[in-house]
Amino acid sequence: GNSVTQMEGPVTLSEEAFLTINCTYTATGYPSLFWYVQYPGEGLQLLLKATKADDKGSNKGFEATYRKETTSFHLEKGSVQVSDSAVYFCALSKWNDYKLSFGAGTTVTVRA
Amino acid sequence: DAGVTQSPTHLIKTRGQQVTLRCSPKSGHDTVSWYQQALGQGPQFIFQYYEEEERQRGNFPDRFSGHQFPNYSSELNVNALLLGDSALYLCASSLEVQGSYNSPLHFGNGTRLTVT
Repeated sequence: GNSVTQMEGPVTLSEEAFLTINCTYTATGYPSLFWYVQYPGEGLQLLLKATKADDKGSNKGFEATYRKETTSFHLEKGSVQVSDSAVYFCALSKWNDYKLSFGAGTTVTVRA
Repeated sequence: DAGVTQSPTHLIKTRGQQVTLRCSPKSGHDTVSWYQQALGQGPQFIFQYYEEEERQRGNFPDRFSGHQFPNYSSELNVNALLLGDSALYLCASSLEVQGSYNSPLHFGNGTRLTVT
């Protein structure tokens, strides 16, 4: 079946550090890939997405590139802020499937 | 523009009891999905409702059931509660016309259910 594996946390960084969260997937065909973020006390929000190979999703300084050859969708940000502290989830969906399959989430804490 | 609203925010129940959770989708959305998020885990798909019908179900027992009303709001019912049902229950809405494949989900803040 479809599954997502993401880097285990927690991850603690200083402000302005570089952030990478690894995500790999298992799926047949061509899934859409997503990163969702859950800020403290809030619901999940879509951060970015990519729908085909080599697409790059970007938002709020975050980027992720859909790499079919390595079945990966790693999330990166060049300079994190304290406000980026949150739980980040990688997820996928298939064209014939109504559900999102989520990874376990990675907790990121950014210190001032 | 109201987002997805869920009620109640917290709930404590005893094993064997039944519970009903409620969800109002984002204005203009017609599709509602329910997810269970255990502590430290990613959300797991329970089911999705569209046009008042359950059109897809995840790997959850029949104790989990739902309903969608003509105004698109939805309920999740869980019977014969087990300790393992303790989790955050998330409702998400989307717009079918955009196509489920790529339709972004809008999530509520969830209902925290504790079973003792």
